[in-house]
Amino acid sequence: GAGVSQTPSNKVTEKGKYVELRCDPISGHTALYWYRQSLGQGPEFLIYFQGTGAADDSGLPNDRFFAVRPEGSVSTLKIQRTERGDSAVYLCASSLDGGNTEAFFGQGTRLTVV
Amino acid sequence: GDSVTQMEGPVTLSEEAFLTINCTYTATGYPSLFWYVQYPGEGLQLLLKATKADDKGSNKGFEATYRKETTSFHLEKGSVQVSDSAVYFCALTSNTGRRALTFGSGTRLQVQP
Repeated sequence: GAGVSQTPSNKVTEKGKYVELRCDPISGHTALYWYRQSLGQGPEFLIYFQGTGAADDSGLPNDRFFAVRPEGSVSTLKIQRTERGDSAVYLCASSLDGGNTEAFFGQGTRLTVV
Repeated sequence: GDSVTQMEGPVTLSEEAFLTINCTYTATGYPSLFWYVQYPGEGLQLLLKATKADDKGSNKGFEATYRKETTSFHLEKGSVQVSDSAVYFCALTSNTGRRALTFGSGTRLQVQP
């Protein structure tokens, strides 16, 4: 596609429910990143994929958060037993090779846990 | 760990005023430094970058110089326009550890006509 696509753009869920957020990166980009942005803050790193593997998952806050990228393209961020504190904008970015090449961001998914 | 500190906003300026948004960083090794911009209703976009000391990044009239001695990467523009109104994020990537971006908290710029 022309850019990084994230779906849905908005998600409202009840506390305790399971959610999946999808990221479709730019075609040919091997590096994919997930970030979380709370109101008034900068994005915070969650996880980085190089190809199909999670090269760095040190930013995941706890074991309720998990992400996959089974074919090295589309990625899904999964959150179990959602809590109100999970409410934020979840951003996905991709870059050509994960070095200092430019990272392109999607518009994000706004998750609200009620 | 790595961190980025930038001045709090909002910064409110009149059109054609001079802009400075301060950014300082803490990092091991020799990080690469970036400014990203988020226009209303849009995603984050790379504005400029610098990958080594004394490099100057520039784009759309904005400039920032990588100052290793002061660990700073201040964003400047000589004459702002209403269309520059946005949130600006300073960020870095480490060459010794995490490859992902570490962001500052953002500075909102409002330019009035």
